[in-house]
Amino acid sequence: DADVTQTPRNRITKTGKRIMLECSQTKGHDRMYWYRQDPGLGLRLIYYSFDVKDINKGEISDGYSVSRQAQAKFSLSLESAIPNQTALYFCATSDYWTGRTGELFFGEGSRLTVL
Amino acid sequence: AQSVTQLDSHVSVSEGTPVLLRCNYSSSYSPSLFWYVQHPNKGLQLLLKYTSAATLVKGINGFEAEFKKSETSFHLTKPSAHMSDAAEYFCVVSDGSNYQLIWGAGTKLIIKP
Repeated sequence: DADVTQTPRNRITKTGKRIMLECSQTKGHDRMYWYRQDPGLGLRLIYYSFDVKDINKGEISDGYSVSRQAQAKFSLSLESAIPNQTALYFCATSDYWTGRTGELFFGEGSRLTVL
Repeated sequence: AQSVTQLDSHVSVSEGTPVLLRCNYSSSYSPSLFWYVQHPNKGLQLLLKYTSAATLVKGINGFEAEFKKSETSFHLTKPSAHMSDAAEYFCVVSDGSNYQLIWGAGTKLIIKP
């Protein structure tokens, strides 16, 4: 089984709908991240969390919200999806030491299409 | 401010020939530098990292990269390409804080039989 699991892997939705992407991990890491990948732009950080009570905005948090339900679970919500949120979304984890050196552990991604 | 530029969006090589993926960075700090690889329909995996030790860094699957401070470069190389190397490669710079990773736009490596 994958250490970092994202659900759903693929989702097609309509403008204005609420969408939740879920991430769970079995690595025992305390730090979790949500990234967005767009062709030609690399990855951009949406939100990150260093523990259950710590949530921080990243570079592109507008239009998104997150919930850290437990150490192992971090979900990303789009309250009212719009077409330019069509992208590949990645969840990642790290612990203190790997996070300081930039080593993240990624899920396989959730491809979201907003029509 | 930090930035990273991958100089080629696509690189095409024949199987068995050398691979060179180019990356230049800009950083106000002593940077940590990374290469990540993304195979089709897969997540990203750390290929190798430079964190101020040896300037020539060896990674998985025969890849290596050399940190050249005078040229602000961190190019990724492999002596002989294999079909399984076909993927997208990302150069990443970090200032050592826990979340501030700056990603390059990616280079798609195409391997011709």
